[in-house]
Amino acid sequence: GAVVSQHPSWVICKSGTSVKIECRSLDFQATTMFWYRQFPKQSLMLMATSNEGSKATYEQGVEKDKFLINHASLTLSTLTVTSAHPEDSSFYICSAAGQGQETQYFGPGTRLLVL
Amino acid sequence: GDSVTQMEGPVTLSEEAFLTINCTYTATGYPSLFWYVQYPGEGLQLLLKATKADDKGSNKGFEATYRKETTSFHLEKGSVQVSDSAVYFCALGHGGGSEKLVFGKGMKLTVNP
Repeated sequence: GAVVSQHPSWVICKSGTSVKIECRSLDFQATTMFWYRQFPKQSLMLMATSNEGSKATYEQGVEKDKFLINHASLTLSTLTVTSAHPEDSSFYICSAAGQGQETQYFGPGTRLLVL
Repeated sequence: GDSVTQMEGPVTLSEEAFLTINCTYTATGYPSLFWYVQYPGEGLQLLLKATKADDKGSNKGFEATYRKETTSFHLEKGSVQVSDSAVYFCALGHGGGSEKLVFGKGMKLTVNP
């Protein structure tokens, strides 16, 4: 099946710094990518949907100026957590879907810890 | 808004035991329903899906039937294996699976030999 990778797999940063997470579709062109976050013992919550070459669509309650999403190519989307704070510590998961595909493929996730 | 409620674990079973993971949903319209599985260290993978009422999705010995009258999509397997140890997520969407999804909390299953 199609493969989606994320980098880094885990990151620790100091409060106030920015962190960038990459999501890549390795063997298909992803016209749409989704970013989710998951708190312990909670469900995956969709943060935003990005289409290649367009601005991301954010879910209600997600700060677009804090969680910057860029989908500049058909194989790469990035999520930048700006001025990270401890409450941003979470597990961030991306998924990708190509044109005509009936399913989305998930990355393995990135665990972020903000100290 | 749309929501998914599923059994919370963790659950530990012996090999060859019967498995049921309950999942119910609330949604507008007629959603598609999915079960995803996440093996340790890997991303979520689609296990099975059903796109309309009374459809049965099946894969790798797992089955789930879309029950509109009870708004449920329970996952079952007659005889689990150690390799089925994973986290299972129930989800819904309003398409075939490439659209945004609403997930349940996930349930961790451990199968012992």
